[in-house]
Amino acid sequence: QSALTQPASVSGSPGQSITISCTGTSSDVGGYNYVSWYQQHPGKAPKLMIYDVSTRPSGISNRFSASKSGNTASLTISGLQAEDEANYYCSSYASSSTLVFGGGTKLTVL
Amino acid sequence: EVQLVESGGGLVQPGGSQRLSCATSGFTFSNYGMSWVRQAPGKGLEWVSGISGSGSTTYYADSVKGRFTISRDTFRNTVYLQMNSLRVEDTAVYYCAKDRLLNQWLVQLTFDYWGQGSLVTVSS
Repeated sequence: QSALTQPASVSGSPGQSITISCTGTSSDVGGYNYVSWYQQHPGKAPKLMIYDVSTRPSGISNRFSASKSGNTASLTISGLQAEDEANYYCSSYASSSTLVFGGGTKLTVL
Repeated sequence: EVQLVESGGGLVQPGGSQRLSCATSGFTFSNYGMSWVRQAPGKGLEWVSGISGSGSTTYYADSVKGRFTISRDTFRNTVYLQMNSLRVEDTAVYYCAKDRLLNQWLVQLTFDYWGQGSLVTVSS
């Protein structure tokens, strides 16, 4: 149950696009189409942004998109806005009905 | 409106025990798996344990297996986390979280609602 690998930080200017990667193994990201992405603002609970690799829940902006290739999943945020500044975590279903999270990526909007 | 409200956190000595509760409302409790996810101060998220909607199956992270027990009470719409043999490294905010998909028998481990969190501090 090793954590998925995410970059510690990414940044971008308003209006730009950024991509956050999430690398696992064939036992988690590569083995299941159950990758999710969560946004967490400081002091707040996480919020589901993407599930099942690329599906946005109702109410989530279409500026958020995601995909997966092999053992690596990616979250892309287009048209960056100030309110997107937050920590982002990927998660993946793993073997034996367990869940593994990424270490988290701090997004800074310059 | 779906609500999850954790309680039971506080300061506990190493080797001690603590029980967290998560009171829920706004959905049919027995139809959804529930999990506990923790976050150590300044650190990332770590899934701790999950339980099916029926309560028949439970799952644990290796880091807490044998020390923590998850359970649920359908009449009280509440999920619990009994934590024994606590260690300093168990210090964290503990969130309860609801599975997105309706399934009484499995945990799906994608969470559409989270509580506000309850801080557990293990220290002498």
